[in-house]
Formats: sequence, structure tokens, C-alpha cells
Amino acid sequence: KAGVTQTPRYLIKTRGQQVTLSCSPISGHRSVSWYQQTPGQGLQFLFEYFSETQRNKGNFPGRFSGRQFSNSRSEMNVSTLELGDSALYLCASSFVSGTTEAFFGQGTRLTVV
Amino acid sequence: GIQVEQSPPDLILQEGANSTLRCNFSDSVNNLQWFHQNPWGQLINLFYIPSGTKQNGRLSATTVATERYSLLYISSSQTTDSGVYFCAVESFNSGGSNYKLTFGKGTLLTVNP
Repeated sequence: KAGVTQTPRYLIKTRGQQVTLSCSPISGHRSVSWYQQTPGQGLQFLFEYFSETQRNKGNFPGRFSGRQFSNSRSEMNVSTLELGDSALYLCASSFVSGTTEAFFGQGTRLTVV
Repeated sequence: GIQVEQSPPDLILQEGANSTLRCNFSDSVNNLQWFHQNPWGQLINLFYIPSGTKQNGRLSATTVATERYSLLYISSSQTTDSGVYFCAVESFNSGGSNYKLTFGKGTLLTVNP
């Protein structure tokens, strides 16, 4: 079956712009999580959604937001981009977070210039 | 929150050698996964192992939940095993799962021919 699909794979944006990243989970999976990976901070949790509800949010500014649709697809948005937002953004899906295995997409590499 | 420590941070091996990677965590967990990050950034699932022992080819893993550690064994290493290996845990809190994976900083494995 198809894996977790993230689009776009690569993105270059200018400071001050906003960006929207998309994640389509594995069919049947209802939990979608987002993570940011940078060389300095490693892999950090952004937020988790289940059945269109955000159940947990990491320690990121309000410029980072997300949502989940009824088909479990998720989007995350970053407004007023800063140079420090340059990172690999990874999306994970699982059937039910907490007791089942998470699978990751290939990631979106965002560069802010 | 839960702390995850991986050791060693870096490991250099000759092809054919065996290795053991360790993951220590500071609290009870209901999910523990080992990942290999490929050169393109995707996290590849190796094991979902909140407790017990599993084997998959040359790789095996053991989690001793009561002592809060997990080990990843790589036997007869190959150059294609090179990359970063991450341990990630999902922990309980008073209300149940906290719905997020907390990652260690990873072990960078280099296998030389």
C-alpha cells in the first residue's frame, strides 16, 4: 500500500512569506504528526492531529499552525517565515497514536532566504 | 518531559564488523521505535519495540522497559548501513499517551569498505 506522501519535496521561500506543506497519511491511518529537523535542534515535535482534532502541540511559536481534514490529510502552515525556519519537515502517520507504529514521509526540505 | 539519550554519538566500523547502539529513556513508554535516516532524509522504520526482542535479518533489537533502555544490534555491517540511527519514544502521562515521539540525538554510523 502507498506510504506517507508529503508535498512538495523541496521549497525555497523568502523571509516574511508564508508556506503550506501537505501530508497524506497511509490509508486507514487517522493520526498525523509533524516534526521539524534541524542540525542544531534535532527532531522536534510540532503537533499531532487525530480525527481533525489537535491533541498535542510542541513548543513552537504561533506562526506554526496545522489542520487535518476529514480524509485525514493534514497541512501545516508557517507564516512570516524566518531564516531559522529552514529545516526538513517530516510528517508521520499511525493508525492510533500511542499504541501503534508511526511511519514517516520523505519530508519537505524548506529553505528560507 | 521524557529524556532520550543515545550512545555512542558516532561510530566508525569496518565492513563486516558488529555493533551495538544504545537508547536510554527517563520514563515509562508505550511506544519505542528505531529508525534509520536515509541520505535523502526519510526515516526508515527498523523496529517497533516497546518491549521484548525482535530480529530482522542482520538487525535485531531488545527493549528492557523496566530498566528503561533499548539496544539495536547490527551484525556483519555493510556500507549501506551507514547513516544516522534514531531511537524515538512515546510516553505515558496521567491522561494517557502524550501523542508525540521524542527523539534521541541519533548515532551517526559510518561503515568503511
